[in-house]
Amino acid sequence: DAKTTQPNSMESNEEEPVHLPCNHSTISGTDYIHWYRQLPSQGPEYVIHGLTSNVNNRMASLAIAEDRKSSTLILHRATLRDAAVYYCILRDPYGGSQGNLIFGKGTKLSVKP
Amino acid sequence: ETGVTQSPTHLIKTRGQQVTLRCSSQSGHNTVSWYQQALGQGPQFIFQYYREEENGRGNFPPRFSGLQFPNYSSELNVNALELDDSALYLCASGRTGGYQETQYFGPGTRLLVL
Repeated sequence: DAKTTQPNSMESNEEEPVHLPCNHSTISGTDYIHWYRQLPSQGPEYVIHGLTSNVNNRMASLAIAEDRKSSTLILHRATLRDAAVYYCILRDPYGGSQGNLIFGKGTKLSVKP
Repeated sequence: ETGVTQSPTHLIKTRGQQVTLRCSSQSGHNTVSWYQQALGQGPQFIFQYYREEENGRGNFPPRFSGLQFPNYSSELNVNALELDDSALYLCASGRTGGYQETQYFGPGTRLLVL
C-alpha cells in the first residue's frame, strides 16, 4: 500500500469547519482512500472512504483531488468529541491481506471550546 | 450488531513470560486482525485470521501467534516477552471478500512488560 503524508497536529475551534489534508502522491489507480480516527483511550474507528468522487456521510465529507494525489477530510462543525488522531490510509483491494491497514502517525486534532 | 470487545483491559508481565490476549469479534464477521500500537505511534499490523487460519502477517516474529475460533472469539499469544512488547494491542474484525471492507476495532489491551 502506498504512503501518505499528514500534518502532525492541527487545532480547531468548536462548531467551526475543519479541513484535514492528506498527500498521497504515489497513489495507484486501484488504491482507495480511507480515513480512520482514534479517540483518546479507544481503538480506531472508521470515518469514510472513497476512490475518485467526493463522498459524504453522517460523520464527515471526503474531498479528493482530480489527480488523486491528495485528499481532504472535512468535519463540517467540529465538536469537542471530534478531538482525536485522524489517519489517512490507502488500501488496494487487490493487493495483500485485506485486513492490513498501514497506519502512519496521523494528525492529532485539538478542538478548543 | 454488538461491538468488538477485548480482555483484559490492562496487563502487567515480566520479561520472558508468556501472555494471552482475547478478543470477541462482531457477530457475522469472518476475519480478525491484530495490531500493536506503541506510545505515540500508529497501529502496526501483526496478522490476520480468516476461517481460523492465518491469512497474512506483518513484520513480527513467530513468538507472536494467534487463534481464531468459530464462535467469533480469538486470541493473540506472545511468548518470551520483551520490554519492547509493551504496547496497546488492538483487535479488529471485518467481513472479507469486499473491497470496501471496514475494520471494526476493539478498545485494546494495554500490556506493560517489566
